[in-house]
Parts: sequence; structure tokens; C-alpha cells
Amino acid sequence: SQTIHQWPATLVQPVGSPLSLECTVEGTSNPNLYWYRQAAGRGLQLLFYSVGIGQISSEVPQNLSASRPQDRQFILSSKKLLLSDSGFYLCAWAQSGSGEQYFGPGTRLTVT
Amino acid sequence: RKEVEQDPGPFNVPEGATVAFNCTYSNSASQSFFWYRQDCRKEPKLLMSVYSSGNEDGRFTAQLNRASQYISLLIRDSKLSDSATYLCVADSSASKIIFGSGTRLSIRP
Repeated sequence: SQTIHQWPATLVQPVGSPLSLECTVEGTSNPNLYWYRQAAGRGLQLLFYSVGIGQISSEVPQNLSASRPQDRQFILSSKKLLLSDSGFYLCAWAQSGSGEQYFGPGTRLTVT
Repeated sequence: RKEVEQDPGPFNVPEGATVAFNCTYSNSASQSFFWYRQDCRKEPKLLMSVYSSGNEDGRFTAQLNRASQYISLLIRDSKLSDSATYLCVADSSASKIIFGSGTRLSIRP
């Protein structure tokens, strides 16, 4: 069966510090991968998605970036965090061609 | 106009009641539709896909109306454990889906 891992679960970072969140998927190959952010009490905002290694589509221009160095690894980064980057970051995977997405447990980021 | 719109609620209903949510989508080319459930401070989880013919899974029934571009979720005999936020989803392309902002449901004893 497939599993998706995200870490860390919670993170408190000062403004201006870098960020690296990692997501890995097991039990499947060539998945579509997604990064979402959810602000407190709000809906899911798609940040990036990837349909293959090195292929990244950006949905929202901001100070975040994403990379997919391996088939089942997806990384979200920032060089300098802003207060507005606080939120619940969720990674998800889907079989290529399927709309059914499965989420990791998320990382709750607080920028102070 | 948002691509997927839902009534944010909250819906506060007694245990055992039947409750229904509607959701509208703006992209007439959307082909796939889903309902997700999200518990407080947890990740969303796929509840059910929505098929053109409608589908039922136990106490949950989902329906699609393409002409009016809305989907619905009906929960019968609601349980306390059904309290959650329900997210309506429509696909935007072959690789992307769009989430609604969610409808909060609270079941009271």
C-alpha cells in the first residue's frame, strides 16, 4: 500500500530564516505530487505541483520554491520566510491521470 | 467568481438527522468530482468520488448535476463522529484539482 510522509510535524521559524520541508511517497512510482498551504480557518491553496522528476508547476508567485530531485521526493523551500508564510503545509500525491489525491499529515509552520 | 464554491456553514444538526451540502463549480469542462473530509488540525481525507450516475457509500450519497454545475453530499442518520469540515473538489485539468473552502458540520447529541 502507498504511504506519504512529511516532516517535521511542527516548525517555528523567525522571519527571514530559510525553510525546507520534505515529503516522500512509498509504494507507488511516478506519482503526481502537490504542495498546498492552508491558512488558519481557510481553504487549501495549491502552491506547486509536479508530474515528474524536475518538472515543477508554480501556481502562486511568492517567495517559495519547490524541487523534485527524485521520483517520490518533493521539497518545498524558501530562502527568507515572511510572517505571511505561516500556515499548515500539506503534501499530496495522486496516480498520474487520477484526480484522487492523498495527503500527508502536514507541517504546521509558525513564522515569528 | 471562485472555481468551486461552498456554503461555509456551520451546519449544526442533532444526531440522527439528515443533512445535505451543495457545491457549485464554474468550469464546465470539469470531469472529476470528489468530497473530502477534514477534521480539525488534520489533513483532508478522500471521502468519496462523485460519479455522473450518483453514488452511495453507506450513509453517504453524492450526486452530480452537470446541467446546473453542482454536486451534493447527503449524510443520513448523522453520527457525532461526522462532525468535520467537508471539502468539495472539482478537477481543473488532467493534473490539478480545485478545493472549495469547505462546509463545517457539527453534530450535537
